[in-house]
Amino acid sequence: NAGVTQTPKFQVLKTGQSMTLQCAQDMNHEYMSWYRQDPGMGLRLIHYSVGAGITDQGEVPNGYNVSRSTTEDFPLRLLSAAPSQTSVYFCASRPIQSRLNTEAFFGQGTRLTVV
Amino acid sequence: DAKTTQPNSMESNEEEPVHLPCNHSTISGTDYIHWYRQLPSQGPEYVIHGLTSNVNNRMASLAIAEDRKSSTLILHRATLRDAAVYYCILRDDSSASKIIFGSGTRLSIRP
Repeated sequence: NAGVTQTPKFQVLKTGQSMTLQCAQDMNHEYMSWYRQDPGMGLRLIHYSVGAGITDQGEVPNGYNVSRSTTEDFPLRLLSAAPSQTSVYFCASRPIQSRLNTEAFFGQGTRLTVV
Repeated sequence: DAKTTQPNSMESNEEEPVHLPCNHSTISGTDYIHWYRQLPSQGPEYVIHGLTSNVNNRMASLAIAEDRKSSTLILHRATLRDAAVYYCILRDDSSASKIIFGSGTRLSIRP
């Protein structure tokens, strides 16, 4: 099983550019989420989704958009990149049944640098 | 959401047991206690979780205090590969859709 796949692994953007970070999972999980991790810090929740067509904001949603048109994919869009968005981004998924009693699976991360 | 408190860092020797503490004095009766760890340059990975009883799996053991206001993650025989940041997270029904991470404990293993 591929699990949670994030692409690209590395990306350098110029300030003001836009891009989409891709996240795909092949486990038919309903829950998906995006986190960012700044150097030496813990993970902060950006956006999350409980199923296709449903998204919600996390702790630090500003500057990011998401959509969930399929169960498998949960892309994260930066509309106008800023240096403050330089970070490592992680995508996670987990199944919905027994909502508190399931583990989350994380991708390997996308390291984004905005210059 | 109920909060957790963990030491910023801990050190241990290889092949010795490691006890990672977590305080959660405001835990509610429906909060599950989850532990994740993040190895260097990797995404977090699930370690273990429990509600009231102590739990064991192939990776670790989770000891939960009788009043549930604290818990301890136990690595029975630490290896160098166990060097990571360990996160203790409470999850209740109101936050079932999301997992909120704290700052965790950075565990170093001495050879």
